[in-house]
Amino acid sequence: DGGITQSPKYLFRKEGQNVTLSCEQNLNHDAMYWYRQDPGQGLRLIYYSQIVNDFQKGDIAEGYSVSREKKESFPLTVTSAQKNPTAFYLCASRLTHANEYEQYFGPGTRLTVT
Amino acid sequence: LAKTTQPISMDSYEGQEVNITCSHNNIATNDYITWYQQFPSQGPRFIIQGYKTKVTNEVASLFIPADRKSSTLSLPRVSLSDTAVYYCLVGDENTNAGKSTFGDGTTLTVKP
Repeated sequence: DGGITQSPKYLFRKEGQNVTLSCEQNLNHDAMYWYRQDPGQGLRLIYYSQIVNDFQKGDIAEGYSVSREKKESFPLTVTSAQKNPTAFYLCASRLTHANEYEQYFGPGTRLTVT
Repeated sequence: LAKTTQPISMDSYEGQEVNITCSHNNIATNDYITWYQQFPSQGPRFIIQGYKTKVTNEVASLFIPADRKSSTLSLPRVSLSDTAVYYCLVGDENTNAGKSTFGDGTTLTVKP
């Protein structure tokens, strides 16, 4: 089955620790995205990448880092510099040519930092 | 990216048609209008996309007037399983690399 996988589904960390969230896709999509969602709110863009070895900051990149060493993978690291890391994190991907605009989302990772 | 405005919440009953309107006064010439649906603790799912007039697929219709300053998502004969948050996005996905702005969406509650 083609799709996007995120792991783990739930993640618990102590304050001050860095944590890396996994995102993998086998859809052969060029672009990948990371969003953060807080309770009762919409999605906010953290980082996005259009091609391998290139990525851009979104609206709330501070305290986060990413890498795009492979087309299939776009891991997100939540660093200790992120002041309020507890949230629901969503990864998405899409093609970037033709008229294909749909973003395909993973199931999400719920991060709790105490 | 064009800012969108949607109602915060809507209630409906099973079997009714639901229309959710999105305002996007600053929509640009190359912008498309896209709607997503999100269930709790899941990623959003694409519903429909359009540029002008009317678009219909197996789950919804999208109505866009000539001035394109608003759009209406129409869900025919809703069921309890249509209870979700619906997001309206406006943007030129090609020039903005799919950098979509999700607002707070419209929470639709379908009652029996």
